[in-house]
Amino acid sequence: EVQLLEFGGGLVQPGGSLRLSCAASGFTFSNYGMSWVRQAPGKGLEWLSVISGSGGSTKSADSAKGRFTISRDNSKDTLYLQMSSLRAEDTAVYYCARRDYSGRHYFDCWGQGTLVTVSS
Amino acid sequence: QTVVIQEPSFSVSPGGTVTLTCGLSSGSVSTTSYPSWYQQTPGQAPRTLIYSTNTRSSGVPDRFSGSILGNKAALTITGAQADDESDYYCVLYMASGISVFGGGTKLTVL
Repeated sequence: EVQLLEFGGGLVQPGGSLRLSCAASGFTFSNYGMSWVRQAPGKGLEWLSVISGSGGSTKSADSAKGRFTISRDNSKDTLYLQMSSLRAEDTAVYYCARRDYSGRHYFDCWGQGTLVTVSS
Repeated sequence: QTVVIQEPSFSVSPGGTVTLTCGLSSGSVSTTSYPSWYQQTPGQAPRTLIYSTNTRSSGVPDRFSGSILGNKAALTITGAQADDESDYYCVLYMASGISVFGGGTKLTVL
């Protein structure tokens, strides 16, 4: 069974840093691009970043550039999101999502999300 | 910056048909945007419904269908059921290699 499990969320002070992880299982992790998507309380979904299966290519939304870094460790089947200079508006549930294998640019599997709260 | 536009809310009667749309602030949506649609209920992760404009994801009932209508992507629900009451999001893939979510449509079935 394909599974994605995010962890690493929690309460962090404004200006602080946090690294989220997404553990993958049930598929050959290195074959798939992976993305991070977030959802602020009561708001819609927001795509943040994507990383290729090899990790050699990344793309990010403007809102993520400069403060958020996506990476992966294929030896550990784990995706990461390093977040820095966090602001109150970064408070959200952060989801990892698998990109489809066939190049049709959709998300075919989602984790359950991890909550990040930025507050003093 | 490209904005993907969805109706904020929509209402449909049980058994009725509703079409939700997904457009661009500038330009037209085409198949090369690989429109995809996701359903989300409160407190849950999104569920993939439609990808590549009109392909249903595994296990999705055939009352859900996708298309291009004019210059927008569209999600049609035919024979709406009570448990279709959810938030629906479209995603468009941009030539720059990024994906952009629409603001979502809150569908009420009553």
